[in-house]
Amino acid sequence: KAGVTQTPRYLIKTRGQQVTLSCSPISGHRSVSWYQQTPGQGLQFLFEYFSETQRNKGNFPGRFSGRQFSNSRSEMNVSTLELGDSALYLCASSLQVAETQYFGPGTRLLVL
Amino acid sequence: DAKTTQPTSMDCAEGRAANLPCNHSTISGNEYVYWYRQIHSQGPQYIIHGLKNNETNEMASLIITEDRKSSTLILPHATLRDTAVYYCIALGANTGNQFYFGTGTSLTVIP
Repeated sequence: KAGVTQTPRYLIKTRGQQVTLSCSPISGHRSVSWYQQTPGQGLQFLFEYFSETQRNKGNFPGRFSGRQFSNSRSEMNVSTLELGDSALYLCASSLQVAETQYFGPGTRLLVL
Repeated sequence: DAKTTQPTSMDCAEGRAANLPCNHSTISGNEYVYWYRQIHSQGPQYIIHGLKNNETNEMASLIITEDRKSSTLILPHATLRDTAVYYCIALGANTGNQFYFGTGTSLTVIP
């Protein structure tokens, strides 16, 4: 089976812009979670989607949003980018909520 | 919040067993112990998980104490490619069924 894929792998944006990241889960997996990883804060949970519904949300401002499509693919959007949004954004998929998560390679976002 | 504590860093000689400890003294009876590792700038990789019994797979062994207050991940024959940050995570209803990644243990395998 193919693993979790994320696109794009690298992205450079400027402050104030918005960005959309995409995640394709492992075939058959219905839950998708997003994480932000920075050197200072480590790996932090953003949100989790299951069957197109947001099930859990981390402590991030409303500029961070996401959605899941009927084929379980997911996107996350960050609006009005700030320098501090520079990070590695990781997507993970699992069969169900609260089961083993398998991570993609991440999208590295640099905000200038 | 993370419910596990791990040493910040450890070294292990190549070819020897690497034993990574994790303390989870407040874990509840229905929370699983998960282990992941992350090699620099890559996505975390699932290693193993368990509830009460010891578990073994092709990557590692997980030893959970009888009182479930701590566990040890064992890499039987460490190689240089095992150099990574290892995360111990408690997963269950008490943690909102979310994976909380703490700071982990940075394992360096030395030639």
